[in-house]
Amino acid sequence: DIQMTQSPSSLSASVGDRVTIVCRASETINIHLNWYQQKPGKAPDLLIYGASRLQSGVSPRFRGSGSGTDFSLTISSLQPEDFAVYFCHQTYRPPYTFGQGTKLEVK
Amino acid sequence: EVRLVQSGAEMKKPGEPLRISCQTAGYAFNSFWISWVRQRPGKGLEWMGHIYPGDSDTTLNPSFEGQVTISVDKSLYTAYLHFNSLKASDTAMYFCARRLRSGAGYSWFDPWGQGTLVTVSS
Repeated sequence: DIQMTQSPSSLSASVGDRVTIVCRASETINIHLNWYQQKPGKAPDLLIYGASRLQSGVSPRFRGSGSGTDFSLTISSLQPEDFAVYFCHQTYRPPYTFGQGTKLEVK
Repeated sequence: EVRLVQSGAEMKKPGEPLRISCQTAGYAFNSFWISWVRQRPGKGLEWMGHIYPGDSDTTLNPSFEGQVTISVDKSLYTAYLHFNSLKASDTAMYFCARRLRSGAGYSWFDPWGQGTLVTVSS
């Protein structure tokens, strides 16, 4: 299985900050990498697909980058609604796997 | 509007069978893979497997083989996740999600169902 390792596992930040979450795959996955946001008790919401493509309706303050094994999600100018858990997700080869999640908390 | 609506929360005893559903609307049901994803309390996401409704082609994550099966009813535009014999460790939220695929080959899950909470306790 392809292992997805996210860092950090938790992150404290303030409204207006810029934050970056990193995701590393155990082998190359080209750009078969997605990012989701999940709030408590809710289903994950797609933010970024194909490593860097912004899902329709998602704020452009979310930016994804990377290819191969190293990827990142950057949120510029954090807003109150951005405090949530973020997951990366590879769909290069089944079994599809997710990172363990990054919890973004208010400082 | 594309929607995936899942069946309600379940409380079951160990050893009981269970079927949870994912009813879809707003798109060509037969043409998109549907995945099932487990999330244990306070934990991350685990892909369980997927099914192509057009021909019921199914792939299960080896970690879940022998524990669950996936099926569809094309006439109801609905996918199902079946548990043969529940264990306490099956306590989790279960999500269905539609898989979309680009012409370049990469794919993603969107939208997701709202989730079905399964609690297994004696």
